[in-house]
Amino acid sequence: AQSVTQLGSHVSVSEGALVLLRCNYSSSVPPYLFWYVQYPNQGLQLLLKYTSAATLVKGINGFEAEFKKSETSFHLTKPSAHMSDAAEYFCAVSTKTSYDKVIFGPGTSLSVIP
Amino acid sequence: EAGVTQFPSHSVIEKGQTVTLRCDPISGHDNLYWYRRVMGKEIKFLLHFVKESKQDESGMPNNRFLAERTGGTYSTLKVQPAELEDSGVYFCASSHGMSYGETQYFGPGTRLLVL
Repeated sequence: AQSVTQLGSHVSVSEGALVLLRCNYSSSVPPYLFWYVQYPNQGLQLLLKYTSAATLVKGINGFEAEFKKSETSFHLTKPSAHMSDAAEYFCAVSTKTSYDKVIFGPGTSLSVIP
Repeated sequence: EAGVTQFPSHSVIEKGQTVTLRCDPISGHDNLYWYRRVMGKEIKFLLHFVKESKQDESGMPNNRFLAERTGGTYSTLKVQPAELEDSGVYFCASSHGMSYGETQYFGPGTRLLVL
């Protein structure tokens, strides 16, 4: 069975500072990994996804994530936080054997301090 | 191109009542999924339609929940009778195909509160 953990339910960063949101997964088969973002009163929007190609994945709005198999991690980073990045971020996993089910982590709420 | 839409955006009902949620997927998407997030916990898979057929309904919590997708277009999720623990956000998503790593596009969700 697959699972996802996200370290830190709430993260605060200063505007212009590095954003680092942590995600670790558990999967007995090669995973597909996703980061979704939910802005207030909006739906889930795909930021980026890893599907066994390049391990460093670039997404929208300047975000990127690196798949590290040895660490079973898929941390999300952005070099410089903007106020508009304040949102809830979800790491998620699916696999070839269960690709209709996306398994989500608990989410990390990001606050950006002016 | 319109995204996934859900109606209503919010619903407040009393325990024992019936509520029907609607989801309109992106045009041309054969795959439609329902998920829910209860009380700030993880977003969990409920079920998956391929056109009008239920491909996987392993996440449906109990028989108080009934999902339909007549004609393979929009879908409804009925909760009857609603219980307090059904409160949460119900998300719908759709995808064109079902290939590995295919992106699921999510709607804004319906926020259900059962009093």
